[in-house]
Amino acid sequence: GQNIDQPTEMTATEGAIVQINCTYQTSGFNGLFWYQQHAGEAPTFLSYNVLDGLEEKGRFSSFLSRSKGYSYLLLKELQMKDSASYLCAVRDSNYQLIWGAGTKLIIKP
Amino acid sequence: SQTIHQWPATLVQPVGSPLSLECTVEGTSNPNLYWYRQAAGRGLQLLFYSVGIGQISSEVPQNLSASRPQDRQFILSSKKLLLSDSGFYLCAWSLPDTHTGELFFGEGSRLTVL
Repeated sequence: GQNIDQPTEMTATEGAIVQINCTYQTSGFNGLFWYQQHAGEAPTFLSYNVLDGLEEKGRFSSFLSRSKGYSYLLLKELQMKDSASYLCAVRDSNYQLIWGAGTKLIIKP
Repeated sequence: SQTIHQWPATLVQPVGSPLSLECTVEGTSNPNLYWYRQAAGRGLQLLFYSVGIGQISSEVPQNLSASRPQDRQFILSSKKLLLSDSGFYLCAWSLPDTHTGELFFGEGSRLTVL
């Protein structure tokens, strides 16, 4: 079966750095997405990786290792507004998105 | 710019009643359209997707149905709701045949079936 694993919840301090991991087992691979979802709101797109390596976008970076079936989202200089759930999703060989359950990130002052 | 809007935002319905959630997209043509359901602690579940008017693909068997009467309109329906239909429903669109295929989500509709 297809599976996306990410931690259920993480806590970090304002101004610090946090890394949210995602491991996947899917039928083929055609890209990995990270979305941010604030409580009660819709997900919004953060990043897309299809090749191995690091993609940097401001305070957020996303890393992919296809051979390990592994990705992480790195958030720097954490702000209170970064408190949200972070969803990892992988597009399989049929171009269907497989979603993780999300990681709830709690930022403390 | 493109926008997506879905309604109603909140709905409380009795078991056995019908359902209609609507979604419209503006500012783009021939988008791919999706209906997802999000249950607490679980990943987004794809219910239906559509690549064109009248073309609907169902991902899971259920008592829900979807229709696309116009290019930028997507409707989720049920004739008789079940308790298990409660959840957060999300409409989304993506550009057809794009490299990234990122999804743009509507505001979401929270359905409670009592």
